[in-house]
Amino acid sequence: DIQMTQSPASLSASLEEIVTITCQASQDIGNYLSWYQQKPGKSPQLLIHSATSLADGVPSRFSGSRSGTQYSLKINRLQVEDTGIYYCLQHYSAWTFGGGTKLELK
Amino acid sequence: EVQLVESGGGLVQPGRSLKLSCAASGFTYSNYVMAWVRQAPTKGLEWVASITTGGGNTYYRDSEKGRFTIYRDNAKNTLYLQIDSLRSEDTATYYCAKEGYGGTFAYWGQGTLVTVSS
Repeated sequence: DIQMTQSPASLSASLEEIVTITCQASQDIGNYLSWYQQKPGKSPQLLIHSATSLADGVPSRFSGSRSGTQYSLKINRLQVEDTGIYYCLQHYSAWTFGGGTKLELK
Repeated sequence: EVQLVESGGGLVQPGRSLKLSCAASGFTYSNYVMAWVRQAPTKGLEWVASITTGGGNTYYRDSEKGRFTIYRDNAKNTLYLQIDSLRSEDTATYYCAKEGYGGTFAYWGQGTLVTVSS
């Protein structure tokens, strides 16, 4: 089974700050990696697909990147509405979520 | 507009069975892979099962093979998840999800809560 190690588990950042969340895959998954945001009491929403492509309607301050088997989600100029929990998902072989990153405002 | 509406959750005793449903609308249901994802209280997301467009192929997380059955009725635009021999660790919100770009979960329902307790 493919494991996804997500870090950090929690993060506190200030408004307008740049935030980066990473996921390390246990093996090559190509670009079969997506990112989701979940707000309290709500369903997750797709942010990034194919490791680097922005989903429809997602603000351009969100971006995804890949370096080998390490994947990153970057939020430029953090906004209040960006707080929540972020998850990565590999869908190269079955589906595996990362453990999640809780993002709060400092 | 894509809509996914789950139902069937509730309080269930350990050892019993439960069938969850997900009614889909706003898209050509039979053209998409569908999935169930669950989330235990205060925990992360966990993929449970997926099913191909015609229902001929199903996939399950290794730990749940045998107790979970995913199936679909394309005539009724409905996805199902049968859970047998329920355990306390099955307590979670169960989400139905529609496939998006190459295996992503592009759309999610609002979830249905399953509580397993005596």
